[in-house]
Amino acid sequence: DGGITQSPKYLFRKEGQNVTLSCEQNLNHDAMYWYRQDPGQGLRLIYYSQIVNDFQKGDIAEGYSVSREKKESFPLTVTSAQKNPTAFYLCASSIVPERAQHFGDGTRLSIL
Amino acid sequence: AQSVTQLGSHVSVSEGALVLLRCNYSSSVPPYLFWYVQYPNQGLQLLLKYTTGATLVKGINGFEAEFKKSETSFHLTKPSAHMSDAAEYFCAVSEGGGGADGLTFGKGTHLIIQP
Repeated sequence: DGGITQSPKYLFRKEGQNVTLSCEQNLNHDAMYWYRQDPGQGLRLIYYSQIVNDFQKGDIAEGYSVSREKKESFPLTVTSAQKNPTAFYLCASSIVPERAQHFGDGTRLSIL
Repeated sequence: AQSVTQLGSHVSVSEGALVLLRCNYSSSVPPYLFWYVQYPNQGLQLLLKYTTGATLVKGINGFEAEFKKSETSFHLTKPSAHMSDAAEYFCAVSEGGGGADGLTFGKGTHLIIQP
């Protein structure tokens, strides 16, 4: 079955450490997205990518980085510059004209 | 800039009662509107979407929503609540020109079903 796979499901970061969250999709979607979810805050857009080798900052990109070397993959790195990284991170993809986004099951990042 | 307001962070209804979750949006262009549902520690699942055409949209699990341009609203309803409907619900809007921009989400409404 087609879908979006996020790994790991739970991740712990030490102070000063960079961590990378994986997102893979086999839906053949062009666009991919990363959102951060905090309790009571809804989802906020971190980065998005419309095509391979191109991506744009969302509303809260500071302290994060991404790459899009393959259509299927859109990994997110949470850098040490992100001072409050504890959150639930959701990856999504879409067929651009349709706009409806399909989501993975998320990665929960915590600080040790 | 687009924005979404969901009235009520928590809504409680009895099993079998009408479910009404409210969503108002602001958009400078005709919007695409969405409702998503999220169960604990899971991703979001699309319930329904409005793009163009018929203003009453039917979705999965018996939910429907009506787009009212004059009221800038897109409220979600279900005639009879079931225990399995207990979850977090998010309204979202897209007005990006090419359609590839991210969605703007409301802060969510937690639906509680009383037995």
